[in-house]
Amino acid sequence: SQQGEEDPQALSIQEGENATMNCSYKTSINNLQWYRQNSGRGLVHLILIRSNEREKHSGRLRVTLDTSKKSSSLLITASRAADTASYFCATVLPGANSKLTFGKGITLSVRP
Amino acid sequence: NAGVTQTPKFRVLKTGQSMTLLCAQDMNHEYMYWYRQDPGMGLRLIHYSVGEGTTAKGEVPDGYNVSRLKKQNFLLGLESAAPSQTSVYFCAGTRVRGSEQFFGPGTRLTVL
Repeated sequence: SQQGEEDPQALSIQEGENATMNCSYKTSINNLQWYRQNSGRGLVHLILIRSNEREKHSGRLRVTLDTSKKSSSLLITASRAADTASYFCATVLPGANSKLTFGKGITLSVRP
Repeated sequence: NAGVTQTPKFRVLKTGQSMTLLCAQDMNHEYMYWYRQDPGMGLRLIHYSVGEGTTAKGEVPDGYNVSRLKKQNFLLGLESAAPSQTSVYFCAGTRVRGSEQFFGPGTRLTVL
């Protein structure tokens, strides 16, 4: 069963624009993580936000978490063609032996 | 450091054949995971291990077996391959429970 559901499923923007991707989940979490996957490659961890945190930044990435709405957003500012990839949110449930439950992913295309 | 590596990168099997996928890591990961990725399905957890000598079932364990005889290696076996097991398989590991996972490059398996 999917714990995280990303929205939109696909996003196409122009280089230099900001990209916002959303993730909703169903049950209480320990933390939420975002990963990037370039075509034909493995997943790369981007950022982790804990349930008691509301916002985190890492370079051009900004992640927010609203536990009351059970949702998170990933903002990529000043996008580049190299940001073209699939993005996944994944949740860790309390006491879940560190298992991640992934959403189906968002395909981001950044046009040069 | 090689990180997380997977062998082989590609494989074509006939229905009923068996094979073993090898995941090796030199990052001292205590926890290791096998996922499969299918179009439109995101990543689904097959089996995982919380330490040397331990294994546990994930979301989609049927048709697969695993072993973790050494901390640095996690093997995924298919005893009798079926076309439904055509997928891309990813191994991942982490040192700290619930923290970021490091992924291998994947194995693309086709079962005819």
